[in-house]
Amino acid sequence: DGGITQSPKYLFRKEGQNVTLSCEQNLNHDAMYWYRQDPGQGLRLIYYSQIVNDFQKGDIAEGYSVSREKKESFPLTVTSAQKNPTAFYLCASSPPGQGGPEAFFGQGTRLTVV
Amino acid sequence: GDSVTQMEGPVTLSEEAFLTINCTYTATGYPSLFWYVQYPGEGLQLLLKATKADDKGSNKGFEATYRKETTSFHLEKGSVQVSDSAVYFCAVRGGNTDKLIFGTGTRLQVFP
Repeated sequence: DGGITQSPKYLFRKEGQNVTLSCEQNLNHDAMYWYRQDPGQGLRLIYYSQIVNDFQKGDIAEGYSVSREKKESFPLTVTSAQKNPTAFYLCASSPPGQGGPEAFFGQGTRLTVV
Repeated sequence: GDSVTQMEGPVTLSEEAFLTINCTYTATGYPSLFWYVQYPGEGLQLLLKATKADDKGSNKGFEATYRKETTSFHLEKGSVQVSDSAVYFCAVRGGNTDKLIFGTGTRLQVFP
């Protein structure tokens, strides 16, 4: 079955440690996205990528990094520079932009920093 | 830059009541507009979309019309059910890029 897989579903890390969240898609989509969701703040765009080996910062990129070495994969690293990393992280993918294609979402990773 | 403004929730309704959730947007070019729904503990699912002015998206009894003159894409349903309780997100995808921006979400609670 085609879809987007985020892993793990729950992640606990100690303060000051970097952590990488996985996002894999087998939909052959060019565009991929990372969002952060906090209560009452909706989804805020961290990074997005329109094509392999290229990505752009979203609205809250500070303290995060990404790579896009393969079309299927768009991992997100939450670095120690991110001041408040505890949140729900959602990955999405989409075909290219003509005609307004929808984005498909993974089930999310809930990161808790202790 | 592109942005979306949604009415704040929670919206609390009795079953069979009429629903409206307001959404307005700012975007360059000819954006596409979306409504997504999120059930507890899950990712987002597309509810409906519209890709050009005056298009009406519809699904599961929900409707929204792309109004370019008022830059709005309000979500409506004539008779809500308890199972419609969820968080609803309005989103805009810019006409010139793949950047996809969401509103803050509106929680809908429907009581029997």
